[in-house]
Amino acid sequence: QKEVEQNSGPLSVPEGAIASLNCTYSDRVSQSFFWYRQYSGKSPELIMSIYSNGDKEDGRFTAQLNKASQYVSLLIRDSQPSDSATYLCAASKTSYDKVIFGPGTSLSVIP
Amino acid sequence: EPEVTQTPSHQVTQMGQEVILRCVPISNHLYFYWYRQILGQKVEFLVSFYNNEISEKSEIFDDQFSVERPDGSNFTLKIRSTKLEDSAMYFCASNRDPTNSPLHFGNGTRLTVT
Repeated sequence: QKEVEQNSGPLSVPEGAIASLNCTYSDRVSQSFFWYRQYSGKSPELIMSIYSNGDKEDGRFTAQLNKASQYVSLLIRDSQPSDSATYLCAASKTSYDKVIFGPGTSLSVIP
Repeated sequence: EPEVTQTPSHQVTQMGQEVILRCVPISNHLYFYWYRQILGQKVEFLVSFYNNEISEKSEIFDDQFSVERPDGSNFTLKIRSTKLEDSAMYFCASNRDPTNSPLHFGNGTRLTVT
């Protein structure tokens, strides 16, 4: 069973700090990677997608992919209390394959 | 912005009963999915659907489950004889072209089997 792994947390950071979320995946042929945010009782909401090695920035969010290490990360700069949620890392082998989700990391941003 | 719509938001049923969860994907989307999330656990893939047939299904998606696109707008998940362990949040998702559009999720249906 191919897996996506994340530290469950909770990860606590003070408001304004950088939150760093990490994810590893076991299927070496995975090509597409996603970060979703999920508030309690709500559906996953896409934050970032990344398909090639390196960094991808979108506003306060930066996704990093290292396929050699099978590692994906998400950095949230200037963390806000509204960023408090569970962050789900997800991967798929190809664009047409199912997306597999990790267990999520709970982030708490302390005012 | 177009949304994936799911109904009902909460469904309570007795063990052994059949339930149908309904979804209206975004209108120009061609690929449809069901995922579920048991409380406190991860989001799990159930089934993908394209061109009026199942593309892929997980081990969870056994003979108790079926999907259907009965018309041009609805996409349904049927559970024939519900079990207590079917209690979960069920999410419908869709995308237009998996090569360049990630999944768009509906708000989910919370299924409670008593």
